[in-house]
Formats: sequence, structure tokens, C-alpha cells
Amino acid sequence: DAGVTQSPTHLIKTRGQQVTLRCSPKSGHDTVSWYQQALGQGPQFIFQYYEEEERQRGNFPDRFSGHQFPNYSSELNVNALLLGDSALYLCASSLELRRDQETQYFGPGTRLLVL
Amino acid sequence: AQTVTQSQPEMSVQEAETVTLSCTYDTSESDYYLFWYKQPPSRQMILVIRQEAYKQQNATENRFSVNFQKAAKSFSLKISDSQLGDAAMYFCAYTVINYGGSQGNLIFGKGTKLSVKP
Repeated sequence: DAGVTQSPTHLIKTRGQQVTLRCSPKSGHDTVSWYQQALGQGPQFIFQYYEEEERQRGNFPDRFSGHQFPNYSSELNVNALLLGDSALYLCASSLELRRDQETQYFGPGTRLLVL
Repeated sequence: AQTVTQSQPEMSVQEAETVTLSCTYDTSESDYYLFWYKQPPSRQMILVIRQEAYKQQNATENRFSVNFQKAAKSFSLKISDSQLGDAAMYFCAYTVINYGGSQGNLIFGKGTKLSVKP
């Protein structure tokens, strides 16, 4: 049973460029959340997708957008990259995030460096 | 605002000894979950233990246990018989239970780096 997978593992971009990160949830999971983890900090919530719609969003600008596909996989897009967008981007999946369900399982992350 | 505070940036423990990591949180909600996650150098965030706020009994998972003090909004993690593999960043996290029973997003503290000395 594959866990949460993310691609690519590392990425280098320059300021102003656009980037797309991908996430495949754990088998059977239907909810995907994205987090940004700056160096030396805890992860910060970007947004969450359920049934192909953005269900919750954290305090991130509109440059950050996402998508969830019918197979529950998800993409995170960041436009007009800034140096401050350099971080580890974590994807987490879960089953509908109900009270009685298990909590979120995290992928290994994508390390983004913006030069 | 909901916040999670970990006041110990770094901790060190001798192998086979016991160590306690501290966490406090601030919320006006009454229904929520608390978590401890471990993040080794491989970067993968791994769930260590989970506590439901409405349960008074402290959660335990093998060598890991918590001391949940709801009134004090405190949630510490005790690691017994520490092993070299326990060395990692440990994050305390919180999520609210929304109306309807769904979990909200995770709010993390800044983490505690745990070193284990052989």
C-alpha cells in the first residue's frame, strides 16, 4: 500500500517563474492538504481539497493555487515566485478528515529553492 | 487566534533515559485534537501520538505518552527508554473539530530538536 507520494523531490526556480508541485494521496484517501515549511519553522497550512474543491484556505496570497483531480491527486501551483517562497512543501492526505478517521498522513515533501 | 507554542528549541537525552517535550496551545474551542509529529532528517512527517480533547485519559503509544492538561492548555510528550532513532524534530500540532465533525487544518508549533546521546 503506497503512502503519500510527491514529485519532484527537489526543484530550483528563479524569481518570477511559475512552479507546479504534485501529490498522490495514500490509497483510499480523498482529502489533500498542502503545507509550507520554511527552514527552521513548523509547517503552515496553505489549503485543503476535497471532492475537487478547495474546502479551506490558510493565509496565503492568490499566487498560490491548487487543483484536485478525480483520482484525488492534487497539484499546487505558485505563480510569480519570490525568494521567500523557498521552502519545503508538504502534502498530507486523509479520509474526509472526519472525527473518527485517522489523521493526516504526510508525504516526503518537495524542496523548492527560488534564486 | 489559535497558536501552538513549543518553548524548547532543542533538547538532549541520554540513550535509554526519559525526556519530556513541552507544548502549550491557545484556543477558545472546546472540541479539538492534539498531535505530536516527528520529522527526521528524511523530512517525512510521522505521527507519533494523538489526543482527543474530550478524553481525559492520556494517550499512550508504546514508549511515547502524553500529559494532557486541558485547563492549563498544556500537552507534553514523554519519551521513555530513548533510542538513537528517536533523534528528530518534534512538532506539536492542533486541529479543531468543525461543526459536523470534520477536522480542520493542522496548526503547528515551531518544533523541538531532540538529540539522543549514545
